[in-house]
Amino acid sequence: GQQLNQSPQSMFIQEGEDVSMNCTSSSIFNTWLWYKQEPGEGPVLLIALYKAGELTSNGRLTAQFGITRKDSFLNISASIPSDVGIYFCAVTGANSKLTFGKGITLSVRP
Amino acid sequence: DGGITQSPKYLFRKEGQNVTLSCEQNLNHDAMYWYRQDPGQGLRLIYYSQIVNDFQKGDIAEGYSVSREKKESFPLTVTSAQKNPTAFYLCASNRRPGNTIYFGEGSWLTVV
Repeated sequence: GQQLNQSPQSMFIQEGEDVSMNCTSSSIFNTWLWYKQEPGEGPVLLIALYKAGELTSNGRLTAQFGITRKDSFLNISASIPSDVGIYFCAVTGANSKLTFGKGITLSVRP
Repeated sequence: DGGITQSPKYLFRKEGQNVTLSCEQNLNHDAMYWYRQDPGQGLRLIYYSQIVNDFQKGDIAEGYSVSREKKESFPLTVTSAQKNPTAFYLCASNRRPGNTIYFGEGSWLTVV
């Protein structure tokens, strides 16, 4: 089946640092999404990308849809403790089904 | 408030018993989904429904069943045939397939 690659599984950063996360696929997709999940809650949509090369910002978050349509990255600038959580990338594939990466767990040290 | 409501939040069951998880949405969304989440596994699709009275198997449907008798409701039954049912279950919906998907707060199922 379709597979999205997110690595590493965990990231540890200091408060105030910037962090970048990547998501790659061997297949082409037309929609890339980034979600954040806090402990014990459902994922919440952060940014949606619909056009190759598109760069979109949402506050301290910036995401880009790769020009090859096989990857995307998410940047968080000036991290704060509430940025802690699991960050998932997702793509819309055949039959409009959403496929998720395995997620990256972000820890922020005060 | 509009949204997706899952209940119960926490559920404990003995092995061999069927259990049904509730999912209700008042967003007037046509499509609804059930995902299972295990540590380090991401989210895996169990079943989805694009319209009332219709549903399709996802990637890990074995041991689960669903119904979609009303637009607002998409209950998931975890049957005794599911070999490893302990997990975090997430319900989601969108206006129509391909649109942005929104999640409920999840239900923790523990089978002992």
